[in-house]
Amino acid sequence: GAVVSQHPSWVICKSGTSVKIECRSLDFQATTMFWYRQFPKQSLMLMATSNEGSKATYEQGVEKDKFLINHASLTLSTLTVTSAHPEDSSFYICSAPDRPSYEQYFGPGTRLTVT
Amino acid sequence: GENVEQHPSTLSVQEGDSAVIKCTYSDSASNYFPWYKQELGKRPQLIIDIRSNVGEKKDQRIAVTLNKTAKHFSLHITETQPEDSAVYFCAASRDTGRRALTFGSGTRLQVQP
Repeated sequence: GAVVSQHPSWVICKSGTSVKIECRSLDFQATTMFWYRQFPKQSLMLMATSNEGSKATYEQGVEKDKFLINHASLTLSTLTVTSAHPEDSSFYICSAPDRPSYEQYFGPGTRLTVT
Repeated sequence: GENVEQHPSTLSVQEGDSAVIKCTYSDSASNYFPWYKQELGKRPQLIIDIRSNVGEKKDQRIAVTLNKTAKHFSLHITETQPEDSAVYFCAASRDTGRRALTFGSGTRLQVQP
């Protein structure tokens, strides 16, 4: 099956700094990627839809100026958490659908801890 | 938007017994319903999915049923094994999976040896 990678797998940063997370589709092209956030013992919640060559679409309640998404190529989407705070600590997971089944392939996730 | 409810939140069964997890969805336009198994700290792993043009799908010990009229779908695991212990999520999506998934709240399954 298709493979999606994420980097880094975990990161610790200080409050007020910015962190960039990369999501790559390794063996297929993804015009659309999705970013989810998962707090401990909770479900995955969609944050935004990343569209190659255009602006991302954010879910209600997600600050677009805080969570910057750039989908600059057909295989790479990045999520930048700006001015991170402890409440941004979470597990961030990306996914991308692959043709022809459009099954969603998930990245391994990035655990962000803000101290 | 779509809302997916999942029950139960926890489920404990004896090894060899069956486990059933149920989900309901609100958006009648949803037509893709995957089930995921997630182990602690790892990505969700697709275990089975069903599209709205069929009512049931089976893969060895795992089966999923879909009732479009009632807007609910269920996961059935037979002959459970300790390695089935994990958190299971149902999800729903429009456009046969091209759209983002809306997840249920999850079920923590514990299979007692």
